[in-house]
Amino acid sequence: EVKLLESGGGLVQPGGSMRLSCAASGFTFTDFYMYWIRQPAGKAPEWLGFIRNKANGYTTEYNPSVKGRFTISRDNTQNMLYLQMNTLRAEDTATYYCARAVVRWGQGTLVTVSS
Amino acid sequence: DVVMTQTPVSLSVSLGGQTSISCRSSQSLVHSDGNTYLYWYLQKPGQSPQLLIYKVSNRFSGVPDRFSGSGSGTDFTLKISRVEPEDLGVYYCYQGTHYPYTFGAGTKLELK
Repeated sequence: EVKLLESGGGLVQPGGSMRLSCAASGFTFTDFYMYWIRQPAGKAPEWLGFIRNKANGYTTEYNPSVKGRFTISRDNTQNMLYLQMNTLRAEDTATYYCARAVVRWGQGTLVTVSS
Repeated sequence: DVVMTQTPVSLSVSLGGQTSISCRSSQSLVHSDGNTYLYWYLQKPGQSPQLLIYKVSNRFSGVPDRFSGSGSGTDFTLKISRVEPEDLGVYYCYQGTHYPYTFGAGTKLELK
């Protein structure tokens, strides 16, 4: 069974940093693109970016809305996906999901940026 | 960015009834590889979105045949027949053709 479990969310002050993690299991992690998507409360999801699979060299693509502030990485030995978020703003407040390609999403972790 | 315009914003439907949701993109979603990366998701209350339809018209594993997707280019439709209580929630279309990938604003399906 495919499982994706996000962690690391919480309250952070504006300008601060936070790293989210996503523990993946139930599939061959290196075979898949892994995505980060966020969703502010009551609004539509927003694609943040992805990191490609082994066959495509683990390269990344980002939404320009977060490019330069957010970094996606993966630890293929631990089946972990990460999202490093820097210079956080109030508008980054959302539930953050990891996803296996476009198919399976985790349950999400809430990030609140507030003083 | 590609703008995904969903209509209507909300729908009221009777159990057992039929309905449809429209999604229009601001540019063609045909990729240079010939595929059209248009997807439909359902987000039930308190849950993460779940994939219903991929590449316009393909039902994801386990999705009932009451759900069907159609369309091409910039115009796409999700049809739901014989609506059941488990179908209620917010439906999103999503394009994975042009960076940055984008979602529609959602259509809320409620019971009449």
